[in-house]
Amino acid sequence: GDSVTQMEGPVTLSEEAFLTINCTYTATGYPSLFWYVQYPGEGLQLLLKATKADDKGSNKGFEATYRKETTSFHLEKGSVQVSDSAVYFCALSGGNFNKFYFGSGTKLNVKP
Amino acid sequence: NAGVTQTPKFRILKIGQSMTLQCTQDMNHNYMYWYRQDPGMGLKLIYYSVGAGITDKGEVPNGYNVSRSTTEDFPLRLELAAPSQTSVYFCASSFGQGSNTGELFFGEGSRLTVL
Repeated sequence: GDSVTQMEGPVTLSEEAFLTINCTYTATGYPSLFWYVQYPGEGLQLLLKATKADDKGSNKGFEATYRKETTSFHLEKGSVQVSDSAVYFCALSGGNFNKFYFGSGTKLNVKP
Repeated sequence: NAGVTQTPKFRILKIGQSMTLQCTQDMNHNYMYWYRQDPGMGLKLIYYSVGAGITDKGEVPNGYNVSRSTTEDFPLRLELAAPSQTSVYFCASSFGQGSNTGELFFGEGSRLTVL
């Protein structure tokens, strides 16, 4: 069945460091891919998405490219800030009922 | 913009008690979902609905029930609370046009503790 695997955390970085959070997926057909972010005490909110191969999603300095050949959707940011500290979830959706599958989440801690 | 609203935000239950988590959305979304998030874990789908009167089981439906009498509301019922149901519950909705569609919109979550 469909599934998402993302790197385990926590990831601890200093401010202005480069961030990569790896995400790979298994899916039948052509899913849409998403990154959601969860700030402490809040629900998840969409960070970025890509709906077809080679699409790049971007938002707030974060980027991810839909790579069909490697079934990956890695999240990157060139210079993280303390305010980026949160849990990041990779997800896919597809199929007739628009079902979503989430990775286990990666906690990012950014230190000043 | 209210979006997805869940109540209550916090609740403590005793083993064997029952309760209903309420969820309502004002975006006229067809699809609604209930997820649970255990500490340090990802989200697991409990139940989902593709429209009023239609519901189906997700990955972890045991111990829960749902109904969808209107487009706006999707309550989650716990009949006999057990400690294993201690979790944070998220309601979500999406427009649901089929595959490769838009994103999920989440409520703020309901933290349930069963003692």
